[in-house]
This record gives sequence, structure tokens and C-alpha cells, in this order.
Amino acid sequence: KQEVTQIPAALSVPEGENLVLNCSFTDSAIYNLQWFRQDPGKGLTSLLLIQSSQREQTSGRLNASLDKSSGRSTLYIAASQPGDSATYLCAVSGAGSYQLTFGKGTKLSVIP
Amino acid sequence: EAGVAQSPRYKIIEKRQSVAFWCNPISGHATLYWYQQILGQGPKLLIQFQNNGVVDDSQLPKDRFSAERLKGVDSTLKIQPAKLEDSAVYLCASSQELDLADTQYFGPGTRLTVL
Repeated sequence: KQEVTQIPAALSVPEGENLVLNCSFTDSAIYNLQWFRQDPGKGLTSLLLIQSSQREQTSGRLNASLDKSSGRSTLYIAASQPGDSATYLCAVSGAGSYQLTFGKGTKLSVIP
Repeated sequence: EAGVAQSPRYKIIEKRQSVAFWCNPISGHATLYWYQQILGQGPKLLIQFQNNGVVDDSQLPKDRFSAERLKGVDSTLKIQPAKLEDSAVYLCASSQELDLADTQYFGPGTRLTVL
């Protein structure tokens, strides 16, 4: 059974800092990995999707990397802003399954 | 483009009562998902539809939960009877096709409190 772990559970940084969020998964036979953002009282917004054959994806100030063999992914946020404050969730889909398995998330607070 | 709509946004019921949630996906999206998100956890898939057919309901507690998508558009999720442990946010999502590379678009969720 796939398990997804996100570390740290919570993170507080001053505005302008670069930061890294970590995600690990137990079964390396994945189809893809996604990073989502969740704001309080709202649904999830997809940020980046990395196919299993890819190593990284970039969107603006966000960069996600994937090391499938070691079961790890990182989300790098450059020059953090207060508007980046949210919970960031990592999710993987297994080969042959349409199910997404989510981690518990990292709650990020960017202090002005 | 209108997003995924869900109602109600909040619901408080007593245990053993029944409750129903409604979801209207993005127009033209063939695939619809219902997730359960317990406080402090990531979402867990309950059921997935492709048009009006069920693709995966392996994690749906079928003794008390049911879902339908009769015309392949909007969907309802029902809990009967509710238990305390059903307190959670119920998220609906949709995607254009049944394809893992397709982005899932999430609604705002329904927060259920069972007393």
C-alpha cells in the first residue's frame, strides 16, 4: 500500500526566503506526482504535475523535482511572499491505478 | 469558465441522521471524484465516475455511503446513517478525461460536523 509522507508538518519563514518542502513515498512504481495548494475553506489547486519519466517541472517561482528511485520529491519556492501562505499537499498516482494518494501536507506561513 | 460547484458548504447533523451533498463539475468534464478529508489528513478518494459509470469505489464504505451520477453531469453523495467519524470535508473534483495526466479541479468542499 502506497504511503506518502510530508516533512515538515508546518513551516514558518520570513518573507523573501527561499524554501524547500519535502515529500517521500514508499512505492516507487508511480505514474506521476502532483503538488497541490490548499487555502483555508477552499478546495485544492494543482500547482505542478511531474510524470514518472520526468525529473522536474517549473512554474514561475515554483520548482518541483522527482527522484523516483529513492521515492522523493521536493517543492522549491523562491523568494517567498505572504500570499504563498497555505497548506501544500503532495500526491502520487500508482501505475495501473487512477487513485491519487495524498500526504498530510505542510502548512506554510510566510511572515511579512 | 465556472469552477466545480458544491452545496451545501456547511452541514451539522446528529449521529444516525442522513445527509446528502451535491456537486456540479466543470462543464464538459467526463470524470468526477468524491474525496473525504479528515482534519489534519490528506484527501482520500471515495469514488470516481467516468460519465455515469463507476470507475473506482474501493474505498467507499458501502454500508452507509452511496453516490450517483445518473445523467453523467452532476452527482450526489449520501451518508445514511452518519457516524461521528464521518466528520470531515467532502471534496468534489472533476477532470476532462479519465487520464492521470489530466489536472483535477476541486470544488470548495462541504464541511460536515456529526454531533
